Amino acid sequence: DTGVSQDPRHKITKRGQNVTFRCDPISEHNRLYWYRQTLGQGPEFLTYFQNEAQLEKSRLLSDRFSAERPKGSFSTLEIQRTEQGDSAMYLCASSVVGFGFGNEKLFFGSGTQLSVL
Amino acid sequence: ELKVEQNPLFLSMQEGKNYTIYCNYSTTSDRLYWYRQDPGKSLESLFVLLSNGAVKQEGRLMASLDTKARLSTLHITAAVHDLSATYFCAVDYSNSGYALNFGKGTSLLVTP
Repeated sequence: DTGVSQDPRHKITKRGQNVTFRCDPISEHNRLYWYRQTLGQGPEFLTYFQNEAQLEKSRLLSDRFSAERPKGSFSTLEIQRTEQGDSAMYLCASSVVGFGFGNEKLFFGSGTQLSVL
Repeated sequence: ELKVEQNPLFLSMQEGKNYTIYCNYSTTSDRLYWYRQDPGKSLESLFVLLSNGAVKQEGRLMASLDTKARLSTLHITAAVHDLSATYFCAVDYSNSGYALNFGKGTSLLVTP
């Protein structure tokens, strides 16, 4: 499978615990994005990387959230001291920027469903 | 505040019928995307519209963009059951392709 893969698919945790999600983008894609989707809503932008640099963070990304993409390949999203309001689907997407600028599509992974009890 | 509003949010239509989903947005943007999401699945890119007057078609779906009216439409022709899904429009308010603001989605059910 050469699409965007995310791990785990589901995560159940207790309030106050830390969780970490992993995203492996499509191999030649230099941009990687994190979005969050709650039931009945569209995805909300959290942050994105171009190669290993984190270039933008939404105000939705509180201090408890941290994302990394250390070698410009896979990325991790960590949530510290989880709260019930963090329960959502966390989506990763990737795209290639550079050729045909403006035509790039975001390719989304299947997401990690987080439930905070 | 950037708002992206889709209309309708729920749509039940018979096979063979035509219908249009509307996407209005509140700020200037030249980039608009349409995505499809099946239950429990991820989002699949349908169309990327990059300029005023852009029109793209794929099978029974056709999308258009009017940046002056801040309106995009997704037209469904002769609907079939396989088109049942949730359709999202998203506006690129960064104008550089990274920060999409999604609407709430239109849940489409096509019945025999």
